[in-house]
Amino acid sequence: AQSVTQLGSHVSVSEGALVLLRCNYSSSVPPYLFWYVQYPNQGLQLLLKYTSAATLVKGINGFEAEFKKSETSFHLTKPSAHMSDAAEYFCAVKYNNDMRFGAGTRLTVKP
Amino acid sequence: DSGVTQTPKHLITATGQRVTLRCSPRSGDLSVYWYQQSLDQGLQFLIQYYNGEERAKGNILERFSAQQFPDLHSELNLSSLELGDSALYFCASSVFSSGGGTDTQYFGPGTRLTVL
Repeated sequence: AQSVTQLGSHVSVSEGALVLLRCNYSSSVPPYLFWYVQYPNQGLQLLLKYTSAATLVKGINGFEAEFKKSETSFHLTKPSAHMSDAAEYFCAVKYNNDMRFGAGTRLTVKP
Repeated sequence: DSGVTQTPKHLITATGQRVTLRCSPRSGDLSVYWYQQSLDQGLQFLIQYYNGEERAKGNILERFSAQQFPDLHSELNLSSLELGDSALYFCASSVFSSGGGTDTQYFGPGTRLTVL
């Protein structure tokens, strides 16, 4: 069975600092991986997805994630945090119709 | 705006009651998924419909049911409501049934259900 673990339920960074949100997955087959963002009182919005075309995936709003098979990781990064990045971020793994979400990481950006 | 619409935005009801949540998928999407998001359980997949047929089932209670209509909109019916059913209910849609990982799910804004 596949699953995803997000390390750190809360991450706080200063504006302009590097953002690193961690995601590790377990899957018996090559996975498809996603990062979604949820702003307060809104639904989930797709940031980026890994579909085996390239290990470094660029998404919206300056985010990117790197698929590392040897580490079973798909960490999300952004070089410079902006106040508007404050939100909850969800990593998800999918195989066929089975989509599993991590518990989420709440990102706080300090001025 | 994802193109997925959900009504109502908020719903307040009492224990033991029954409610219906409605979802309209993005134009062209044939699959509809329902999720429940609560503080203690996180985001849980409930059920998927594809072109009117049930396609996959997740952690959906027997008190809950769903259907997808010929115009592709979907309804989630929650009955004999309990306090613990209070949560955000999201609908998502995608193009395919199980078209591999490239089949992205687009989420609606959710319906917040409060059971008093």
